[in-house]
Amino acid sequence: EPEVTQTPSHQVTQMGQEVILRCVPISNHLYFYWYRQILGQKVEFLVSFYNNEISEKSEIFDDQFSVERPDGSNFTLKIRSTKLEDSAMYFCASSEGRGGFTEAFFGQGTRLTVV
Amino acid sequence: AQSVSQHNHHVILSEAASLELGCNYSYGGTVNLFWYVQYPGQHLQLLLKYFSGDPLVKGIKGFEAEFIKSKFSFNLRKPSVQWSDTAEYFCATRGPDKLIFGTGTRLQVFP
Repeated sequence: EPEVTQTPSHQVTQMGQEVILRCVPISNHLYFYWYRQILGQKVEFLVSFYNNEISEKSEIFDDQFSVERPDGSNFTLKIRSTKLEDSAMYFCASSEGRGGFTEAFFGQGTRLTVV
Repeated sequence: AQSVSQHNHHVILSEAASLELGCNYSYGGTVNLFWYVQYPGQHLQLLLKYFSGDPLVKGIKGFEAEFIKSKFSFNLRKPSVQWSDTAEYFCATRGPDKLIFGTGTRLQVFP
């Protein structure tokens, strides 16, 4: 069964450092997403991406965040200068159609710990 | 803005007990509702979804949910839980390009 894969599963970084979280969406999917979940809180939408551009982003997704699809398979989330409050589980997802209308398939997540 | 709320943060049950997890949504026009499950160490998986039609929705693994418009609710039910149902359960609604999740309910089932 096709699945969304994320690497690494756990990343520890020092405050102020840049991190790149990687995702390989399902191959025939056209819409890609990043969500995050701070420990004990709800899963929050960060950004959606379609046709090589951001289609929607939340207020969390400020200038410190960026997304890229550098080749035909990877979808990355970059945090330029990490803060302690960026510590969270980050989930990548992909879907064939627009995220609210079709099923989104999620990866297992990357746990980011900023120290 | 559309939102969902889950009031049960942690539920503990014995095997064979019946389950009902609450989810309330805020009205925002067309209502699309989802339940996702996250088993320990695994990714979020879709249990069931409601877009329109029969308000009683059957999902995978014996779960069902009922859309009650008058109560703004979409509660998840299972008549008899198993130890393997131990997981975190998320109710969600949709925006055009995103899912909007509730805070989640952690279910622990003891043998």
